[in-house]
Amino acid sequence: TQLLEQSPQFLSIQEGENLTVYCNSSSVFSSLQWYRQEPGEGPVLLVTVVTGGEVKKLKRLTFQFGDARKDSSLHITAAQPGDTGLYLCAGSAGGGGNKLTFGTGTQLKVEL
Amino acid sequence: KAGVTQTPRYLIKTRGQQVTLSCSPISGHRSVSWYQQTPGQGLQFLFEYFSETQRNKGNFPGRFSGRQFSNSRSEMNVSTLELGDSALYLCASSSPLTAGANVLTFGAGSRLTVL
Repeated sequence: TQLLEQSPQFLSIQEGENLTVYCNSSSVFSSLQWYRQEPGEGPVLLVTVVTGGEVKKLKRLTFQFGDARKDSSLHITAAQPGDTGLYLCAGSAGGGGNKLTFGTGTQLKVEL
Repeated sequence: KAGVTQTPRYLIKTRGQQVTLSCSPISGHRSVSWYQQTPGQGLQFLFEYFSETQRNKGNFPGRFSGRQFSNSRSEMNVSTLELGDSALYLCASSSPLTAGANVLTFGAGSRLTVL
């Protein structure tokens, strides 16, 4: 069974601070995605990384896929209250289909 | 274009009853996946349907079932409800053009409470 552990589980910071969320597994994934979910809504895809060592930037968000494709990180620079939400990583083992293994989640709160 | 639509948004059932949830995918999307989200277990994969065929299945008991219609709309059914089935049930659809990259668009979910 593939598992994805995220850390930290909860994060409360002030506006303008930087933060990093980690997503780790002992399994190899063919691709890894990051989602953000807000209360009362479904997760919204932020990024997909598919190559070991890949780094993608989305404005103030930087995503990295580990060289061995077992882990990933999400770094947010100068966090804003609008970044508040539940961040989820999700891995695909490949082989066709859309079965994703989701991480345990990181609840981020950014305060003014 | 319209997003993924799930109905009902909220429902309350009692133990032993059964429930049917509906999901209308984005127009043109042929893959529909279902996930269960609970505070304790997080998001867990239930099953995926593609062109009316179940393509993948998660580790849930047989009380959980689903189907997909020719217009790609999908339903999931849970029979003999248990308290532990209380959860947010999320549906996601995927475009065949992006199937290899697993780009999922989620609906807002159906919140099921079992009393």
